[in-house]
Amino acid sequence: GENVEQHPSTLSVQEGDSAVIKCTYSDSASNYFPWYKQELGKRPQLIIDIRSNVGEKKDQRIAVTLNKTAKHFSLHITETQPEDSAVYFCAARRTGGSYIPTFGRGTSLIVHP
Amino acid sequence: DAGVTQSPTHLIKTRGQQVTLRCSPKSGHDTVSWYQQALGQGPQFIFQYYEEEERQRGNFPDRFSGHQFPNYSSELNVNALLLGDSALYLCASSPTSRGGAGNTEAFFGQGTRLTVV
Repeated sequence: GENVEQHPSTLSVQEGDSAVIKCTYSDSASNYFPWYKQELGKRPQLIIDIRSNVGEKKDQRIAVTLNKTAKHFSLHITETQPEDSAVYFCAARRTGGSYIPTFGRGTSLIVHP
Repeated sequence: DAGVTQSPTHLIKTRGQQVTLRCSPKSGHDTVSWYQQALGQGPQFIFQYYEEEERQRGNFPDRFSGHQFPNYSSELNVNALLLGDSALYLCASSPTSRGGAGNTEAFFGQGTRLTVV
């Protein structure tokens, strides 16, 4: 089955800095990579996703890059704000059939004002 | 649209007891997946229900069972509770994936925090 590794487990930055979270996956057939943000006591919420037919996707201050050859993908947050503080999870899955993403262990992002 | 709703929000049980958690999927979604999220960990897939049947199952013992009703709502049952079953149990719903096309986003509920003492 799929195995997703996520690093770092904790990331502390100053407000305005950039933050990068990296994930690797093992199943070369995986072709859909969502990222979830989970604030304390709340449900995981999808913030951005990327499919294998593109190498990069951007949505305002967040962007995701994908390197299928190396089987890794990254989340980039620019101009971080205190409200970006949360746990971020990457996931990977194959499309088609049932939807069973494999999640990374999460990165706790702390943005200091 | 209330999104995915789960009940109860919090629950305390004693070792050896049984528990039932409930999930109502987002309107228009017919597939329900259950996840266990231990503290400091990512969600771990338990099983998925579609058309009232268990379609896929993760690496969880038979103590974990489920059910899906005709209205697509679902229950997760855990028997013979262990201390290690303490976790946040998340339900996620999604529309049927059709060959990978279209929106494949899973919507999560707020979860049920289960504490086993």
